[in-house]
Amino acid sequence: GEDVEQSLFLSVREGDSSVINCTYTDSSSTYLYWYKQEPGAGLQLLTYIFSNMDMKQDQRLTVLLNKKDKHLSLRIADTQTGDSAIYFCAEKTGGFKTIFGAGTRLFVKA
Amino acid sequence: GAVVSQHPSRVICKSGTSVKIECRSLDFQATTMFWYRQFPKQSLMLMATSNEGSKATYEQGVEKDKFLINHASLTLSTLTVTSAHPEDSSFYICSAGGEAFFGQGTRLTVV
Repeated sequence: GEDVEQSLFLSVREGDSSVINCTYTDSSSTYLYWYKQEPGAGLQLLTYIFSNMDMKQDQRLTVLLNKKDKHLSLRIADTQTGDSAIYFCAEKTGGFKTIFGAGTRLFVKA
Repeated sequence: GAVVSQHPSRVICKSGTSVKIECRSLDFQATTMFWYRQFPKQSLMLMATSNEGSKATYEQGVEKDKFLINHASLTLSTLTVTSAHPEDSSFYICSAGGEAFFGQGTRLTVV
């Protein structure tokens, strides 16, 4: 079945780069998304990538997509304490459903 | 500012009562809205797709009579948790405009 997996926890020092990884199973997915969720809040769409792209950069965020391996990553440059949150990877499947990963909790140490 | 507004953000109710959660699109019209449920430290699970002017589409395993969805206008969808029980306690989130915009979420606690 359709599934999205990501590691549950990542800890980095302030100023370092963070890399959050995600794998998915649907080879016919169209879009892949990264969301940020702060405690007690809804999801904020950070960025997305179309499945025929392999990279997208937006300020401190870089998304890499390896479609062959069904692997997606989000790199946050110069990570700040305000980046501490849960990051969700999601894919829009060929059947037009959006499947979310369980979220990666990013902890930034000052 | 927020383009999808969800209300209330937090509600505590007694077992057996019903609770209504509202999801409004503020700057655009949404013929389709989505309702999700999120358990602690877990992902979002799609509960149903709310369609303006027609019946909602529920995901497998979601009780239609338990989670009533009404999408009476292009800017408002409501989720009513009927005869709530403690196991319904969760974080409920709506989205509109595809995957772009999410509400702030509603923390429901049933005591």
